[in-house]
Amino acid sequence: GENVEQHPSTLSVQEGDSAVIKCTYSDSASNYFPWYKQELGKGPQLIIDIRSNVGEKKDQRIAVTLNKTAKHFSLHITETQPEDSAVYFCAAHGNQFYFGTGTSLTVIP
Amino acid sequence: GAGVSQSPSNKVTEKGKDVELRCDPISGHTALYWYRQRLGQGLEFLIYFQGNSAPDKSGLPSDRFSAERTGESVSTLTIQRTQQEDSAVYLCASSFASGSYEQYFGPGTRLTVT
Repeated sequence: GENVEQHPSTLSVQEGDSAVIKCTYSDSASNYFPWYKQELGKGPQLIIDIRSNVGEKKDQRIAVTLNKTAKHFSLHITETQPEDSAVYFCAAHGNQFYFGTGTSLTVIP
Repeated sequence: GAGVSQSPSNKVTEKGKDVELRCDPISGHTALYWYRQRLGQGLEFLIYFQGNSAPDKSGLPSDRFSAERTGESVSTLTIQRTQQEDSAVYLCASSFASGSYEQYFGPGTRLTVT
């Protein structure tokens, strides 16, 4: 089955700096890669996703890149704000969804 | 429109008791997923439904866990003879169809087994 690894597990950045979270996957058949933001006490919320026929996707301050050859994908948040502080999960979908273990992002004002 | 709702939001139960957790998906979503999230950890897949059928039950931890879905709508996750290791947040998600479609999560049910 699929194995998704996510790094780092914790990340602290100064407000205004960029944050990058990386994930790797093992199953070359995986073709859909969503990213979720989870705030304390709430369910995960989809923030951006990318499909295997695309290498990069951007939505305002958030971007995701995908390298199918290397089987890794990354989340980039620019101009970070305190409200970006949350746990972020990556996921990969082949025959089902497999989630990374999460990155706790803290943006320091 | 309304999102995915789950009830109860919190449940405290004694070891050995049975519990039922409910999920109401977004109207029109044919696929429904259950996940378990232990404190500080990622999401662990339990089961998913396409319509009222469950093609993949591979994630259910033991035969104490079961789930059903009726009317291609509400789903219940039942845990029999609860154990302390069952304590976790149980998350439900729905999507337009099974496969590589966006999942929308509910707020979860926090289960505590004492």
